[in-house]
Order: sequence, then C-alpha cells, then structure tokens
Amino acid sequence: GAGVSQSPRYKVAKRGQDVALRCDPISGHVSLFWYQQALGQGPEFLTYFQNEAQLDKSGLPSDRFFAERPEGSVSTLKIQRTQQEDSAVYLCASSLAGSEAFFGQGTRLTVV
Amino acid sequence: AQSVTQLDSQVPVFEEAPVELRCNYSSSVSVYLFWYVQYPNQGLQLLLKYLSGSTLVKGINGFEAEFNKSQTSFHLRKPSVHISDTAEYFCAVSLYGGATNKLIFGTGTLLAVQP
Repeated sequence: GAGVSQSPRYKVAKRGQDVALRCDPISGHVSLFWYQQALGQGPEFLTYFQNEAQLDKSGLPSDRFFAERPEGSVSTLKIQRTQQEDSAVYLCASSLAGSEAFFGQGTRLTVV
Repeated sequence: AQSVTQLDSQVPVFEEAPVELRCNYSSSVSVYLFWYVQYPNQGLQLLLKYLSGSTLVKGINGFEAEFNKSQTSFHLRKPSVHISDTAEYFCAVSLYGGATNKLIFGTGTLLAVQP
C-alpha cells in the first residue's frame, strides 16, 4: 500500500480483556517497529522486527505484551488481560534497512 | 543510555513570527538526530534528520535545524510560521551504527500558532 496502515484506529476494551492490534507495513519494508505513546508523552519503543525475526523486544512492558510478524509482512501486537495503564496510542513504523521510518496513524486503545 | 530533553512543553507564537524549538540530547556514543511532526490524530512525519556532514540541516515545510555537538543540541527553527504549522513536534535520536535503529523520543513541544 501507499503507507503504513493500522487497524483498528480506535479500540475500547474492558479491563481484563485481550486485544490484538494490526499493522500493515509498506510493501517491501524489512524493518518494523512498535511504539507506545501515552497521553502527553513521546512515543516509547516496544519492539523491533527484521523480516519475521523479532530482534529486540526490550521495550515490552510486561509478559502480557506479545508481538509477532510470522511471514515478515503484517504484524500483530497482542495485549493480554488489559489494564488501565495500557491505555495509549500504539504506533507502528516500517522502513527499508537503515533508512527513514514511516509511521502509521496509530491505534488509540482505551481500557475502561 | 541515550535520552532526549525538550524543555518547552508548549510554544505559543504569532503567525509570520520566527520560532525555535529546543532539543538537547545525552549520549556517550554518536547518534543520529531527527525531528518529527505529529498533527492531531495522525502518525509521525519526518521533518528532517542529521546523519553526518553539514551541521545545518534543511527539512520540509521551511524548517531547519542545527546540530551542535559541544552543546549536545539540535534545535529546530523556522523564520516565519503559518497557522498550519500548529502541531506537536518531537525530537528523537537513534544510535549510530545501532543494530535496530530504534528511536528515542523527547516528550514533545506543542507549537501553537496564533493569528
């Protein structure tokens, strides 16, 4: 596609519910990143994929967070047993190796 | 560890006036430097980047930034702002030669352009 596409744009989850956030990167982009942006803050790194390999997951805040990119294209960020502190905008970005990252519009998650 | 500081959370300015958004970074190794803009309910768009070479970097929409290694700064400037420049601006760094090119962001500066 023309850009990085994320779905859904908005998600409301009840506390304790599991959610899955999808990212469609730009076709051919090897690198894929997930960031979490809390209200009034800058984005914070969660995890990084090179093709299907998850090379860095140092930013995932807990074992409730899980990301995958099984075929080296679409990626899913899953959050289990959501808590209120998980409320944030989740941004996905993709890039060719070593070049500029292009960001999607993000998914705004609200946990109630 | 690397960190980015944007001292101004909000900068109000009148249309057609000049503006400077400040960014300082901390790193024990060389870094790449970036400025991103975020419009409401949108993702991040790259304004400009410093990788090497000339310390004065020109970007899109008339913005420019100057890398100052001795002051560990990368301030963003525009000589004359427009209403449409109203947005959140983020300064970011990534490790030179880093394995992942992940970005470390500041907390952002809201540029509020008033008529």
